[in-house]
Amino acid sequence: NAGVTQTPKFRVLKTGQSMTLLCAQDMNHEYMYWYRQDPGMGLRLIHYSVGEGTTAKGEVPDGYNVSRLKKQNFLLGLESAAPSQTSVYFCASRPVDGSAQHFGDGTRLSIL
Amino acid sequence: GENVEQHPSTLSVQEGDSAVIKCTYSDSASNYFPWYKQELGKRPQLIIDIRSNVGEKKDQRIAVTLNKTAKHFSLHITETQPEDSAVYFCAASVGGGGADGLTFGKGTHLIIQP
Repeated sequence: NAGVTQTPKFRVLKTGQSMTLLCAQDMNHEYMYWYRQDPGMGLRLIHYSVGEGTTAKGEVPDGYNVSRLKKQNFLLGLESAAPSQTSVYFCASRPVDGSAQHFGDGTRLSIL
Repeated sequence: GENVEQHPSTLSVQEGDSAVIKCTYSDSASNYFPWYKQELGKRPQLIIDIRSNVGEKKDQRIAVTLNKTAKHFSLHITETQPEDSAVYFCAASVGGGGADGLTFGKGTHLIIQP
């Protein structure tokens, strides 16, 4: 039982490149979330999903897109990466019963 | 939207003493308040949470108190140990458990002095 797994762990991009971050959970959780963490800023919600095929915007959605085609996977896409998107990205999931969110190990993304 | 303020940003205490971290929130509809501990380079890990129908919750050396009227909640760590050194985040959400995602404070760096 791996919990929440994020791929990749590290990545360096050039400005304007695109990429997709993958979050996979094996706990059959309905709800999934993407956060970014910047120094001194805490974690901020980018997008979230309350079920397969549904997504919604969080606090800082601009420049990102997401998809939840399968219940266990939540993808975060950067269509045209910008230096301001350099951050550590965390995925989380939780069941519908109100239990706490479980976080993955994070993806450290640097955009030059 | 919700806004969560957390204080202090850095807290240094002697080993064995108590530590208190305080948070305030703005949305009176928020009803779920978790606390996460994050060690350097690691994921945030839940240490305790409280719902709005409860005023206090305790788990061994850790306790959380909630004052709904004043819209603030606090984390109390007693008999601090070196392994308590980390960054602590408070968070708040509407929809119990964070259905719509969590709003986090900016974190408190807790330093336990030997």
